[in-house]
Amino acid sequence: QQPVQSPQAVILREGEDAVINCSSSKALYSVHWYRQKHGEAPVFLMILLKGGEQKGHEKISASFNEKKQQSSLYLTASQLSYSGTYFCGTEKGGSQGNLIFGKGTKLSVKP
Amino acid sequence: DTAVSQTPKYLVTQMGNDKSIKCEQNLGHDTMYWYKQDSKKFLKIMFSYNNKELIINETVPNRFSPKSPDKAHLNLHINSLELGDSAVYFCASSEPGLEVNEQFFGPGTRLTVL
Repeated sequence: QQPVQSPQAVILREGEDAVINCSSSKALYSVHWYRQKHGEAPVFLMILLKGGEQKGHEKISASFNEKKQQSSLYLTASQLSYSGTYFCGTEKGGSQGNLIFGKGTKLSVKP
Repeated sequence: DTAVSQTPKYLVTQMGNDKSIKCEQNLGHDTMYWYKQDSKKFLKIMFSYNNKELIINETVPNRFSPKSPDKAHLNLHINSLELGDSAVYFCASSEPGLEVNEQFFGPGTRLTVL
Protein backbone atom coordinates (compact mmCIF):
# COMPACT_ATOMS: atom_id res chain seq x y z
CA GLN A 1 0.00 0.00 0.00
CA GLN A 2 1.46 3.32 -1.09
CA PRO A 3 2.14 5.70 1.81
CA VAL A 4 0.53 9.12 1.60
CA GLN A 5 2.76 12.15 1.91
CA SER A 6 1.77 15.66 2.90
CA PRO A 7 2.14 18.40 2.02
CA GLN A 8 2.76 17.97 -1.71
CA ALA A 9 4.94 21.06 -1.74
CA VAL A 10 6.31 23.59 0.69
CA ILE A 11 8.24 26.82 0.24
CA LEU A 12 10.45 28.08 3.04
CA ARG A 13 12.83 30.90 3.73
CA GLU A 14 16.29 29.96 4.95
CA GLY A 15 16.23 29.32 8.65
CA GLU A 16 12.58 28.25 8.78
CA ASP A 17 11.42 24.82 9.89
CA ALA A 18 9.32 22.29 8.02
CA VAL A 19 7.57 19.01 8.74
CA ILE A 20 6.80 16.40 6.11
CA ASN A 21 4.36 13.65 6.97
CA CYS A 22 4.07 10.11 5.68
CA SER A 23 1.06 8.04 6.65
CA SER A 24 -0.73 4.81 5.96
CA SER A 25 -4.03 3.26 6.98
CA LYS A 26 -2.15 0.07 7.90
CA ALA A 27 0.93 -0.40 10.04
CA LEU A 28 4.12 0.01 8.07
CA TYR A 29 7.00 -2.47 8.36
CA SER A 30 9.46 0.37 8.22
CA VAL A 31 9.83 3.88 6.86
CA HIS A 32 12.66 4.93 4.59
CA TRP A 33 13.32 8.59 3.84
CA TYR A 34 15.13 9.75 0.69
CA ARG A 35 15.88 13.17 -0.74
CA GLN A 36 16.19 13.83 -4.45
CA LYS A 37 17.70 17.10 -5.63
CA HIS A 38 16.69 18.40 -9.02
CA GLY A 39 18.28 16.38 -11.80
CA GLU A 40 19.97 13.99 -9.39
CA ALA A 41 19.40 10.55 -7.95
CA PRO A 42 17.56 9.91 -4.68
CA VAL A 43 19.84 9.80 -1.67
CA PHE A 44 19.12 7.88 1.52
CA LEU A 45 18.47 9.93 4.65
CA MET A 46 17.35 7.45 7.27
CA ILE A 47 15.24 4.42 8.09
CA LEU A 48 12.93 3.91 11.03
CA LEU A 49 11.98 0.43 12.06
CA LYS A 50 10.31 0.54 15.43
CA GLY A 51 7.18 2.21 16.72
CA GLY A 52 8.06 5.23 18.83
CA GLU A 53 11.50 5.53 17.25
CA GLN A 54 13.14 8.87 16.63
CA LYS A 55 16.30 9.47 14.66
CA GLY A 56 18.39 12.48 13.82
CA HIS A 57 20.73 13.39 11.02
CA GLU A 58 22.33 16.82 11.52
CA LYS A 59 19.34 19.18 11.46
CA ILE A 60 17.09 16.63 9.85
CA SER A 61 15.31 14.16 12.09
CA ALA A 62 12.38 11.81 11.89
CA SER A 63 9.91 10.00 14.08
CA PHE A 64 7.76 6.91 13.71
CA ASN A 65 4.62 6.78 15.81
CA GLU A 66 3.79 3.91 18.16
CA LYS A 67 1.21 2.40 15.83
CA LYS A 68 3.70 2.57 12.94
CA GLN A 69 1.15 4.28 10.75
CA GLN A 70 2.76 7.70 10.56
CA SER A 71 6.25 9.05 10.21
CA SER A 72 7.28 12.68 10.19
CA LEU A 73 10.46 14.22 8.84
CA TYR A 74 11.58 17.40 10.61
CA LEU A 75 13.82 19.92 8.90
CA THR A 76 15.12 22.50 11.32
CA ALA A 77 16.65 25.87 10.44
CA SER A 78 16.48 24.98 6.75
CA GLN A 79 19.36 25.69 4.44
CA LEU A 80 19.34 26.25 0.68
CA SER A 81 20.88 22.79 0.31
CA TYR A 82 17.74 21.20 1.75
CA SER A 83 15.79 21.98 -1.41
CA GLY A 84 14.59 18.92 -3.26
CA THR A 85 11.87 16.33 -3.29
CA TYR A 86 11.54 14.15 -0.20
CA PHE A 87 10.19 10.65 -0.53
CA CYS A 88 9.09 8.26 2.14
CA GLY A 89 8.99 4.59 1.30
CA THR A 90 7.92 1.40 2.96
CA GLU A 91 8.68 -2.23 2.27
CA LYS A 92 5.82 -3.80 0.39
CA GLY A 93 4.58 -6.88 2.16
CA GLY A 94 7.57 -6.72 4.46
CA SER A 95 9.80 -7.78 1.59
CA GLN A 96 13.18 -6.22 2.28
CA GLY A 97 14.19 -3.85 -0.46
CA ASN A 98 10.83 -3.91 -2.24
CA LEU A 99 10.15 -0.25 -1.58
CA ILE A 100 6.92 1.44 -2.44
CA PHE A 101 7.36 5.20 -2.32
CA GLY A 102 4.95 8.01 -1.61
CA LYS A 103 4.42 10.64 -4.27
CA GLY A 104 6.99 12.95 -2.76
CA THR A 105 7.05 16.38 -1.14
CA LYS A 106 8.79 19.15 -3.02
CA LEU A 107 10.66 21.45 -0.66
CA SER A 108 11.96 24.78 -1.92
CA VAL A 109 14.16 26.87 0.35
CA LYS A 110 14.56 30.50 -0.70
CA PRO A 111 17.25 32.94 0.47
CA ASP B 1 34.98 6.24 -7.39
CA THR B 2 31.46 5.89 -8.74
CA ALA B 3 29.43 3.51 -6.61
CA VAL B 4 26.54 2.85 -9.01
CA SER B 5 26.97 3.85 -12.63
CA GLN B 6 24.58 3.74 -15.57
CA THR B 7 25.00 4.15 -19.29
CA PRO B 8 23.86 5.96 -21.24
CA LYS B 9 22.84 9.07 -19.33
CA TYR B 10 20.47 10.15 -22.10
CA LEU B 11 18.69 8.01 -24.66
CA VAL B 12 16.49 9.43 -27.41
CA THR B 13 14.86 6.95 -29.75
CA GLN B 14 11.89 6.31 -31.97
CA MET B 15 8.79 4.33 -31.08
CA GLY B 16 9.13 0.67 -31.89
CA ASN B 17 12.88 0.52 -31.39
CA ASP B 18 14.69 -1.74 -28.93
CA LYS B 19 17.18 -0.27 -26.47
CA SER B 20 19.28 -1.29 -23.49
CA ILE B 21 20.47 0.49 -20.37
CA LYS B 22 23.46 -0.81 -18.46
CA CYS B 23 24.13 -0.61 -14.74
CA GLU B 24 27.18 -1.52 -12.71
CA GLN B 25 27.89 -1.24 -8.99
CA ASN B 26 31.26 -1.53 -7.28
CA LEU B 27 29.93 -1.67 -3.73
CA GLY B 28 29.95 -5.44 -3.50
CA HIS B 29 26.20 -5.51 -2.89
CA ASP B 30 24.19 -8.62 -3.56
CA THR B 31 20.96 -6.89 -4.57
CA MET B 32 20.28 -4.57 -7.49
CA TYR B 33 17.11 -2.81 -8.60
CA TRP B 34 15.53 -0.96 -11.48
CA TYR B 35 13.18 1.95 -10.83
CA LYS B 36 11.14 4.08 -13.20
CA GLN B 37 10.47 7.73 -12.41
CA ASP B 38 7.81 9.31 -14.57
CA SER B 39 7.23 12.93 -15.47
CA LYS B 40 5.29 13.46 -12.23
CA LYS B 41 8.32 12.28 -10.27
CA PHE B 42 6.57 9.13 -9.12
CA LEU B 43 9.31 6.61 -8.30
CA LYS B 44 8.27 2.99 -8.84
CA ILE B 45 10.24 -0.20 -8.44
CA MET B 46 10.30 -2.45 -11.49
CA PHE B 47 12.67 -5.32 -10.75
CA SER B 48 15.07 -6.57 -8.14
CA TYR B 49 17.83 -9.15 -8.49
CA ASN B 50 19.67 -10.82 -5.65
CA ASN B 51 22.96 -12.39 -6.67
CA LYS B 52 21.84 -12.74 -10.30
CA GLU B 53 18.40 -14.13 -9.43
CA LEU B 54 15.16 -12.27 -10.01
CA ILE B 55 13.37 -11.68 -6.69
CA ILE B 56 11.00 -8.80 -7.39
CA ASN B 57 9.07 -8.36 -10.60
CA GLU B 58 6.40 -5.73 -10.28
CA THR B 59 3.67 -5.33 -12.85
CA VAL B 60 5.84 -4.37 -15.76
CA PRO B 61 5.11 -5.10 -19.44
CA ASN B 62 7.07 -8.07 -20.68
CA ARG B 63 8.72 -5.78 -23.22
CA PHE B 64 11.04 -4.98 -20.31
CA SER B 65 13.59 -7.68 -19.63
CA PRO B 66 16.28 -7.34 -17.01
CA LYS B 67 19.47 -9.36 -17.24
CA SER B 68 22.10 -9.85 -14.59
CA PRO B 69 25.30 -11.41 -15.95
CA ASP B 70 26.90 -11.18 -12.50
CA LYS B 71 26.02 -9.63 -9.19
CA ALA B 72 27.74 -6.35 -10.06
CA HIS B 73 25.73 -5.77 -13.23
CA LEU B 74 22.04 -5.42 -13.97
CA ASN B 75 21.01 -4.40 -17.45
CA LEU B 76 17.58 -3.44 -18.70
CA HIS B 77 16.48 -4.24 -22.23
CA ILE B 78 13.32 -2.70 -23.59
CA ASN B 79 11.64 -3.98 -26.75
CA SER B 80 9.19 -2.16 -28.99
CA LEU B 81 9.49 1.14 -27.18
CA GLU B 82 6.30 3.14 -26.62
CA LEU B 83 5.72 6.81 -25.86
CA GLY B 84 4.72 5.93 -22.30
CA ASP B 85 8.14 4.43 -21.67
CA SER B 86 9.62 7.92 -21.61
CA ALA B 87 10.93 8.40 -18.09
CA VAL B 88 14.07 8.45 -16.01
CA TYR B 89 15.26 4.95 -15.15
CA PHE B 90 17.33 4.50 -12.02
CA CYS B 91 19.41 1.55 -11.07
CA ALA B 92 20.12 0.99 -7.37
CA SER B 93 21.88 -1.50 -5.16
CA SER B 94 21.83 -2.52 -1.52
CA GLU B 95 23.15 -5.17 0.81
CA PRO B 96 20.27 -7.34 2.05
CA GLY B 97 20.03 -8.55 5.60
CA LEU B 98 21.28 -5.34 7.16
CA GLU B 99 19.00 -3.51 9.57
CA VAL B 100 19.66 -0.29 7.68
CA ASN B 101 18.90 -1.42 4.15
CA GLU B 102 20.08 1.73 2.38
CA GLN B 103 19.70 1.74 -1.36
CA PHE B 104 22.37 3.49 -3.42
CA PHE B 105 21.03 4.93 -6.65
CA GLY B 106 22.81 5.45 -9.92
CA PRO B 107 22.62 8.83 -11.70
CA GLY B 108 19.70 7.79 -13.88
CA THR B 109 19.08 7.36 -17.60
CA ARG B 110 16.65 9.75 -19.19
CA LEU B 111 14.81 7.89 -21.92
CA THR B 112 12.81 9.88 -24.45
CA VAL B 113 10.67 8.01 -26.94
CA LEU B 114 9.57 10.05 -29.96
